[in-house]
Amino acid sequence: GAVVSQHPSWVICKSGTSVKIECRSLDFQATTMFWYRQFPKQSLMLMATSNEGSKATYEQGVEKDKFLINHASLTLSTLTVTSAHPEDSSFYICSASTGIRGYNEQFFGPGTRLTVL
Amino acid sequence: AQTVTQSQPEMSVQEAETVTLSCTYDTSESNYYLFWYKQPPSRQMILVIRQEAYKQQNATENRFSVNFQKAAKSFSLKISDSQLGDTAMYFCAFMSNTGKLIFGQGTTLQVKP
Repeated sequence: GAVVSQHPSWVICKSGTSVKIECRSLDFQATTMFWYRQFPKQSLMLMATSNEGSKATYEQGVEKDKFLINHASLTLSTLTVTSAHPEDSSFYICSASTGIRGYNEQFFGPGTRLTVL
Repeated sequence: AQTVTQSQPEMSVQEAETVTLSCTYDTSESNYYLFWYKQPPSRQMILVIRQEAYKQQNATENRFSVNFQKAAKSFSLKISDSQLGDTAMYFCAFMSNTGKLIFGQGTTLQVKP
């Protein structure tokens, strides 16, 4: 149980275009989903936290107009990278949990590699 | 703000031997959770072990155990009988009651045959 999927696993796009990444909890209801960014050989940096049905909360320094996050249902959150540029190339990982307060284990998706040409 | 520090960027160990990965953290909170995650070349994050701060007993999971020193804010991971499949990047992480995870910089572990 507790499986999280991401789609696509790898995407290549041209500079200036937008890319949408989906994160799904397959066998549980995720009231909270998290989006992370990871550069090669570096740590995971939290970008934003989304709760189902409400606006995402972005971490300091993350452009909310560039990284649009939608959490429309208890099993799906999407991250849209708008007007992508080569510096947006990175590995994006989502995680899902059943709550935000207290201890709620985060279950991680397999990640999406974004390459912007 | 909480911080997590892993001071060993890279480590190596011979197969079947024991290795310890270090982690220190800083927080003013009294109740929190600490984790070690493994990220193999596939890049899928895998939970290795979890420690609740209010529990004095060190957590163990088969070949993996932790040395949790709350006063020193230290949380090291010991891997016994290292296997080739343990080769991965290991992240120490902190979670407060906000539910957010804060990760250390990571330690790349190479298990040599």
